[in-house]
Amino acid sequence: QQQVKQSPQSLIVQKGGISIINCAYENTAFDYFPWYQQFPGKGPALLIAIRPDVSEKKEGRFTISFNKSAKQFSLHIMDSQPGDSATYFCAASAFTGTASKLTFGTGTRLQVTL
Amino acid sequence: DAGITQSPRHKVTETGTPVTLRCHQTENHRYMYWYRQDPGHGLRLIHYSYGVKDTDKGEVSDGYSVSRSKTEDFLLTLESATSSQTSVYFCAISVATNEETQYFGPGTRLLVL
Repeated sequence: QQQVKQSPQSLIVQKGGISIINCAYENTAFDYFPWYQQFPGKGPALLIAIRPDVSEKKEGRFTISFNKSAKQFSLHIMDSQPGDSATYFCAASAFTGTASKLTFGTGTRLQVTL
Repeated sequence: DAGITQSPRHKVTETGTPVTLRCHQTENHRYMYWYRQDPGHGLRLIHYSYGVKDTDKGEVSDGYSVSRSKTEDFLLTLESATSSQTSVYFCAISVATNEETQYFGPGTRLLVL
């Protein structure tokens, strides 16, 4: 059972456009929602994260929007650049008694064209 | 890379052979994790450790075992490798100041023939 659903699988955006990636979760025990960026051949790198008591968090061109009642959150990349071309993963964290465990979405491959 | 190294970075092995992957960290982080990454599945947790000799299973632990005899090393063993274990394996740590945030190593690409 996939607890974090991510869409779309792939996304093509023109340079300067807005990239939007959506995630939905089911487990109400999740209390921390990070996004990771991964380039080919590299490990995932933390991009931005949010807690459910906040509806929006912005860091530079990257914004997370969070809707607790709908159990959905999304990543917006403003003024998308070719260097943003990568795979993006949403994730959700819950403490299990011994550690905080992350559950990942299946990823979105973003391509930013010139 | 949060001071994480993984070895080997690439490995080709045959079905039925044991394989051990090593994750090494230099900053005495308490929590360490092993994930596998496969197309269409994202990253899935295999095992994790919350201290020396303290480990627990993740989502996809069948066919894998782990050991942590010292803080800096977390070993993942495939007892008898199968083709379904062909994957990219990532180690991660979380830091004391925010144990919910995980930082990933560079990965090990494993091919089981």
